[in-house]
Amino acid sequence: GAGVSQTPSNKVTEKGKYVELRCDPISGHTALYWYRQSLGQGPEFLIYFQGTGAADDSGLPNDRFFAVRPEGSVSTLKIQRTERGDSAVYLCASSLTATPGGGELFFGEGSRLTVL
Amino acid sequence: ELKVEQNPLFLSMQEGKNYTIYCNYSTTSDRLYWYRQDPGKSLESLFVLLSNGAVKQEGRLMASLDTKARLSTLHITAAVHDLSATYFCAVARQEYGNKLVFGAGTILRVKS
Repeated sequence: GAGVSQTPSNKVTEKGKYVELRCDPISGHTALYWYRQSLGQGPEFLIYFQGTGAADDSGLPNDRFFAVRPEGSVSTLKIQRTERGDSAVYLCASSLTATPGGGELFFGEGSRLTVL
Repeated sequence: ELKVEQNPLFLSMQEGKNYTIYCNYSTTSDRLYWYRQDPGKSLESLFVLLSNGAVKQEGRLMASLDTKARLSTLHITAAVHDLSATYFCAVARQEYGNKLVFGAGTILRVKS
């Protein structure tokens, strides 16, 4: 696609529910990143993929969060047993590669998650 | 650990005035980025600065990098209302791959 596409754009769920957020990167980009942006703050790194493998998942806050990228393109961020503190905008970005200097990160519009 | 600090966090200015946003980072870095974010929108890349002394300009915005001081500045010249947005700096370091560490952002409001 022309840009990074994220769905859904908005998700409202109840505490304790399971949520999946999807990211479709720019065609040909092998690196994919997930960030979380809480209100009034800068994006916080969660995880990034180079191809199908998670190269760095050090930003995932706990084991309720998991992300996959099975075919090296689309990625899904999965949140189990959601909590109110998970409410944020989840941003996805992609770049040509994840090597240093591997190109600019292009961000999607984000998925706004609200946990009631 | 790589940390990025911006100041000010909020800036209200009159049209036509000049001002500077500062971005400090805690350890050596390979690349520094400036992004713009409009309310409810995603991040738009403004500048990438790669080396000490780098300066880039686009319209009324100019970004510079001093790697020795671990400081980047985003200078706004003769502000106009359309520049109202939140501005983020973000830093990348080779050992972290291509992932970025962001500052908290500076909310800029330009009053007509």
